Amino acid sequence: GIQVEQSPPDLILQEGANSTLRCNFSDSVNNLQWFHQNPWGQLINLFYIPSGTKQNGRLSATTVATERYSLLYISSSQTTDSGVYFCAVERNQGGKLIFGQGTELSVKP
Amino acid sequence: DTAVSQTPKYLVTQMGNDKSIKCEQNLGHDTMYWYKQDSKKFLKIMFSYNNKELIINETVPNRFSPKSPDKAHLNLHINSLELGDSAVYFCASSPGGSEETQYFGPGTRLLVL
Repeated sequence: GIQVEQSPPDLILQEGANSTLRCNFSDSVNNLQWFHQNPWGQLINLFYIPSGTKQNGRLSATTVATERYSLLYISSSQTTDSGVYFCAVERNQGGKLIFGQGTELSVKP
Repeated sequence: DTAVSQTPKYLVTQMGNDKSIKCEQNLGHDTMYWYKQDSKKFLKIMFSYNNKELIINETVPNRFSPKSPDKAHLNLHINSLELGDSAVYFCASSPGGSEETQYFGPGTRLLVL
């Protein structure tokens, strides 16, 4: 089956810093999503981005489908950005998302 | 305006018991899912229903039985609970069509003693 690898596994930032999270996947996909799981456990959908670039406020994401990776950029990080960021992909399987292991982000004041 | 809701939020029970978790979505979506998140935060799909029909059934013990009475509800019944069933169970839904963004419920934290 398709493999999803995220890096780095852990990241500690000072408030105001920028960061880039990476997601590599082993096969072509028709669906790629980024999620944020906040410290209370809620999973929030950030981007649906099987290809191209999208921006939403301080967050942006780019997927280069031909090279099988996606990047999530967080600019001017805030303490509320803390939590785990997941990348998930699907390959024509009726919504069967395969999740990466996540990047745990901690933003210090 | 809760989009995807689950009840209960917390469930503590003894080994061997039977329990159910309920999920409802008010987004008008056609497809609903159950995921399991283990203690290492790894998320894995268990089941998916589209318009009340089962379309994804991963390698899950048959003690787990999903039921979809209508396309807005997907419940999960678990028989003979085991210690290893302790996890957070998430329900999700997606609209169908060309953009399959999945929206997750708040999760149900199950602890089997």
